[in-house]
Amino acid sequence: GAGVSQTPSNKVTEKGKYVELRCDPISGHTALYWYRQSLGQGPEFLIYFQGTGAADDSGLPNDRFFAVRPEGSVSTLKIQRTERGDSAVYLCASSLTGDRNSPLHFGNGTRLTVT
Amino acid sequence: RKEVEQDPGPFNVPEGATVAFNCTYSNSASQSFFWYRQDCRKEPKLLMSVYSSGNEDGRFTAQLNRASQYISLLIRDSKLSDSATYLCVVRRSSASKIIFGSGTRLSIRP
Repeated sequence: GAGVSQTPSNKVTEKGKYVELRCDPISGHTALYWYRQSLGQGPEFLIYFQGTGAADDSGLPNDRFFAVRPEGSVSTLKIQRTERGDSAVYLCASSLTGDRNSPLHFGNGTRLTVT
Repeated sequence: RKEVEQDPGPFNVPEGATVAFNCTYSNSASQSFFWYRQDCRKEPKLLMSVYSSGNEDGRFTAQLNRASQYISLLIRDSKLSDSATYLCVVRRSSASKIIFGSGTRLSIRP
């Protein structure tokens, strides 16, 4: 079956532009997570959805970052007024349930480069 | 202080050796613990969950010490294919975020 799909796989944008990153979770998975990862670091938590609602958005670094999951499936991470420091790999993961022992399944990530 | 801390390594060991690394976590309310593996330029993948009584999966053994708030991973008879970054992962509850450590890099040499 299909895994977690993230598009685009690579995105290069200019400083100040707006970008949208898309995540298509595994069908039937109710929980969805966004992380970003810089070179040599572990994934840094951004936001966690249970169904359509954000259960924990404490990792969003500032109000330039926003994420939605309107129908409880596909999610979009939106970044306004991008800065060079936003350059990273943005990872999406889903799990069957939000149960604390439910393992995460990651997509291949979107590599964002802000020039 | 980071909520989950790991020795970044790299650990460079010969094939066939036994290697172990630890991870410490700061929040005593943490309830779920995992080890994930990440190959270079790939996504993280679940290696194993860590249970209170300790658990084994083939050559891999994970242990949890709640009193000292650390988790360990032991790899026996290491293979070249074990070369990767090992990420320690902690979660407080179902409603809370899942936190990753920075990872420990392991390199197995022939």
